[in-house]
Amino acid sequence: GAGVSQTPSNKVTEKGKYVELRCDPISGHTALYWYRQSLGQGPEFLIYFQGTGAADDSGLPNDRFFAVRPEGSVSTLKIQRTERGDSAVYLCASSLTDYYNEQFFGPGTRLTVL
Amino acid sequence: DAKTTQPNSMESNEEEPVHLPCNHSTISGTDYIHWYRQLPSQGPEYVIHGLTSNVNNRMASLAIAEDRKSSTLILHRATLRDAAVYYCILRDVKSGGSNYKLTFGKGTLLTVNP
Repeated sequence: GAGVSQTPSNKVTEKGKYVELRCDPISGHTALYWYRQSLGQGPEFLIYFQGTGAADDSGLPNDRFFAVRPEGSVSTLKIQRTERGDSAVYLCASSLTDYYNEQFFGPGTRLTVL
Repeated sequence: DAKTTQPNSMESNEEEPVHLPCNHSTISGTDYIHWYRQLPSQGPEYVIHGLTSNVNNRMASLAIAEDRKSSTLILHRATLRDAAVYYCILRDVKSGGSNYKLTFGKGTLLTVNP
């Protein structure tokens, strides 16, 4: 069956530009997560959605980062005024419900800010 | 959150067993021990989890110490495809709190030699 998909797989942008990263979770999964992974590190939690609402956005580094999930399925992570320090792999995961279920990860979007 | 400690790297030979250790001396009674792995250029994938008893599945076995302060992920016959970073993660299943998010450390980089 279809897993979690993320587009684009790679994104190169210039400092100061706006970017959107998309995540398509597994159909029927109500929980969706975004993580960020810097080189040589494990993934770090950014935000968690239960349905359409952001239940926990405590991992977003600052107000340049925002995420939406308007219909409870696809989610978009939006980064304004990108900085070189935003360069990382952005991972999306989904799970059937929430806290206990196994999380299924997408392949990630590699963001490079020049 | 309770923390885990893993070796930075380990090596194995193909078709030999691999024992990946994890220390979690501050584990609480409601923490489950989860293992995920991340193959090169992919998102993490679930491997196995357990609470107190040893667990087996098609991918691996999980041996949990009697005092639960350590655990070992066992790959019975390593293949080249098992080369990955392995993460040991604690998840508290008490209701409430932020147990929906996975807290990754740096994990153990497993190299499998042909």
